[in-house]
Amino acid sequence: GNSVTQMEGPVTLSEEAFLTINCTYTATGYPSLFWYVQYPGEGLQLLLKATKADDKGSNKGFEATYRKETTSFHLEKGSVQVSDSAVYFCALKSGGTSYGKLTFGQGTILTVHP
Amino acid sequence: GAVVSQHPSRVICKSGTSVKIECRSLDFQATTMFWYRQFPKQSLMLMATSNEGSKATYEQGVEKDKFLINHASLTLSTLTVTSAHPEDSSFYICSARDANPGGATGELFFGEGSRLTVL
Repeated sequence: GNSVTQMEGPVTLSEEAFLTINCTYTATGYPSLFWYVQYPGEGLQLLLKATKADDKGSNKGFEATYRKETTSFHLEKGSVQVSDSAVYFCALKSGGTSYGKLTFGQGTILTVHP
Repeated sequence: GAVVSQHPSRVICKSGTSVKIECRSLDFQATTMFWYRQFPKQSLMLMATSNEGSKATYEQGVEKDKFLINHASLTLSTLTVTSAHPEDSSFYICSARDANPGGATGELFFGEGSRLTVL
């Protein structure tokens, strides 16, 4: 079956530090990959996505590249801000009869200090 | 982006009672909605897929008689936790797929979640 594994948190960084949150996956076929962000008290929001190998998703300074050879989709940001503090979820969506269902990683809590 | 609203955001109930959680798509029609459960420090677990006008499809291990799902309209799905017990305490999140531009390619939008505490 499909699965997503994220690096365990929590991750604590100082403002302007470099961020990497690792994500690897197991899936049949060619899944689409996503990063979702959940700010305190809010629902999940799509941060970025990539639908095929070597695609790079980017948004708000975050980026992630779909690496089929390493089955990875690591999230990176060059300079984090306090407002980036949130929970980040890596997810995949596979096709076929299960189309539309998302499989999530366990989430990584990011805290950025001034 | 599109908005999905859940209500209530928090609910506390006594063991043995039933609780209903609503999920509404506010500015789009959703033929399909998904219900997730999130345990503390754990991932979201898909419980069921709710299709408008038909029975929900439950994931393996999810008791359909305990977690009743109704998707009576294109903008509303409800999850009823029947005869709730303390182990049902959790964070329940719904997501909805915009029926337009149509098909399974529509983006998923998530509600803010509902925290259920069963005493």
